[in-house]
Amino acid sequence: EAQVTQNPRYLITVTGKKLTVTCSQNMNHEYMSWYRQDPGLGLRQIYYSMNVEVTDKGDVPEGYKVSRKEKRNFPLILESPSPNQTSLYFCASSQLGTERWKQYFGPGTRLTVT
Amino acid sequence: SQQGEEDPQALSIQEGENATMNCSYKTSINNLQWYRQNSGRGLVHLILIRSNEREKHSGRLRVTLDTSKKSSSLLITASRAADTASYFCATVSSGNTPLVFGKGTRLSVIA
Repeated sequence: EAQVTQNPRYLITVTGKKLTVTCSQNMNHEYMSWYRQDPGLGLRQIYYSMNVEVTDKGDVPEGYKVSRKEKRNFPLILESPSPNQTSLYFCASSQLGTERWKQYFGPGTRLTVT
Repeated sequence: SQQGEEDPQALSIQEGENATMNCSYKTSINNLQWYRQNSGRGLVHLILIRSNEREKHSGRLRVTLDTSKKSSSLLITASRAADTASYFCATVSSGNTPLVFGKGTRLSVIA
């Protein structure tokens, strides 16, 4: 089954404790992206990657890191989480062919930083 | 960055009625997409319309695009309770720019 998976689905952590949210897709998509969703603000892009070893900042990259060492994986790293990073996070992927930008989303990771 | 803006923010209708949501954007686009999100879940792609298209259908969905007015509308006909969700428009400005999402319209369909 074609899908984007994220882990963990729920995470409660404390300020300053490094964490990684994993994202994996099995569709051989070139493009992957991370978004955060906050009430009243919609989805905002954090980082995206057009291919392996190619990453770019989105609208709200501060406090986040990403890597793209393999095509299927795109982990989101919070080196020192803060309470303002409490949010619902989504990973998404798409191909860059004729259906460029039709994105497939993961189920989401609800992060709480206390 | 450019952002689509949906209108209304919330919409409540009876089952069987049609639901219309609108999206406005600021700059020229390559394509515009609509997504659905059930509460707390990932977004699901519904339909993509390219800048040279004016109307597109998919099942009970009808999307129109007016590039002169920089606006799009999503019509859901004969709505069902299962259509209750948030609907987002997303725009792509040129070939390699990422999607930019609006804040969504929350649709409630009452049985």
